[in-house]
Amino acid sequence: GAGVSQTPSNKVTEKGKYVELRCDPISGHTALYWYRQSLGQGPEFLIYFQGTGAADDSGLPNDRFFAVRPEGSVSTLKIQRTERGDSAVYLCASSTSGDRGEGYTFGSGTRLTVV
Amino acid sequence: KNQVEQSPQSLIILEGKNCTLQCNYTVSPFSNLRWYKQDTGRGPVSLTIMTFSENTKSNGRYTATLDADTKQSSLHITASQLSDSASYICVVTPSSGGSYIPTFGRGTSLIVHP
Repeated sequence: GAGVSQTPSNKVTEKGKYVELRCDPISGHTALYWYRQSLGQGPEFLIYFQGTGAADDSGLPNDRFFAVRPEGSVSTLKIQRTERGDSAVYLCASSTSGDRGEGYTFGSGTRLTVV
Repeated sequence: KNQVEQSPQSLIILEGKNCTLQCNYTVSPFSNLRWYKQDTGRGPVSLTIMTFSENTKSNGRYTATLDADTKQSSLHITASQLSDSASYICVVTPSSGGSYIPTFGRGTSLIVHP
């Protein structure tokens, strides 16, 4: 596609529920990043994929968070047993390999609200 | 620990005025430094990207400067417009260790009043 697409744009869920957030990167971009952004803060790194594999998952806050990218394109961020503190905007970005390129592009994000 | 500090945290200016936003970083060595504009409810959009060997980069009314010796960058906005109201984020990507995970600043919130 022309840009990075994230769905849904908004998600409201009850505390304790499971949610999945989807990211569709720019076609041909091998690198994919997930970030979490709280109000008034810059994006906080969660996980980075190079192809199908998670090259760096050091930003995942705990084992309730997990992400996959089974075919090296679309990625899904999964959050189990959601907590109110998980409420944030979850941003996805994709780029050419290794972020050396000009093509580092963000999606519009998914606003997650846990009530 | 890699850090990116931005100042001011927020800024209010009148339409038509110029302003300068600051970014100090500790990431070293670095691959590139970017400035992003983020409108409310949207993802960040790249304004400029500079490597360590570049001193200045312009994009319309936006001009970014970089001093790799002092590890400082600035974003200058000329003749501000109401549509410039947004958060401006400085992002530095390291070049060592095989990891290209960018470090983000917290952003400067700019409000342009008519």
